[in-house]
Amino acid sequence: EPEVTQTPSHQVTQMGQEVILRCVPISNHLYFYWYRQILGQKVEFLVSFYNNEISEKSEIFDDQFSVERPDGSNFTLKIRSTKLEDSAMYFCASRTLAGRSYNEQFFGPGTRLTVL
Amino acid sequence: GQQLNQSPQSMFIQEGEDVSMNCTSSSIFNTWLWYKQDPGEGPVLLIALYKAGELTSNGRLTAQFGITRKDSFLNISASIPSDVGIYFCAGQHSNTNAGKSTFGDGTTLTVKP
Repeated sequence: EPEVTQTPSHQVTQMGQEVILRCVPISNHLYFYWYRQILGQKVEFLVSFYNNEISEKSEIFDDQFSVERPDGSNFTLKIRSTKLEDSAMYFCASRTLAGRSYNEQFFGPGTRLTVL
Repeated sequence: GQQLNQSPQSMFIQEGEDVSMNCTSSSIFNTWLWYKQDPGEGPVLLIALYKAGELTSNGRLTAQFGITRKDSFLNISASIPSDVGIYFCAGQHSNTNAGKSTFGDGTTLTVKP
């Protein structure tokens, strides 16, 4: 069964460093998302991406964040200058636009980002 | 922002018991989704609901889309140890736009054998 994959599974970085989190969405999906989950808290929406542009973003997704689909398969989240409070699990999700499962978002296993 | 109130926050039950959890919202949703999350993993979609009043089953799981479109519940029948995890509801406002999901705070389920 097709699935969303994410790399790395765990990223440790120093405050102020740039990180890039990578995702490979399900191949025939057209909408892509990033969510984050601070330890012990709920999943929070960051950004949605469709047709090579951002569709919607939350207040969390400030100028330090950017997303990109550099080729036909990868979807990346970049944090330009990490802060301690960026430590969280980051989940990529994707969905198709067709059929009964129109709104069903499928999540990857996540990248745990630790900012020291 | 949108608020989803999910209850109960946690449940401790015996294997074989039935479980019920629910979500309520201050606003109307067009889609309700229920996810299960195991420790250190991503949310796994269990059930999707698209119409007010819709009742959908997935094995021992049953979920309903409330007729007011502001609530949903999830039932698990005859619980087993592998049902342990955190269950999240998520709502979506639009069928045509970005379709971002707003998540509830989660219900942590513990099943005692």
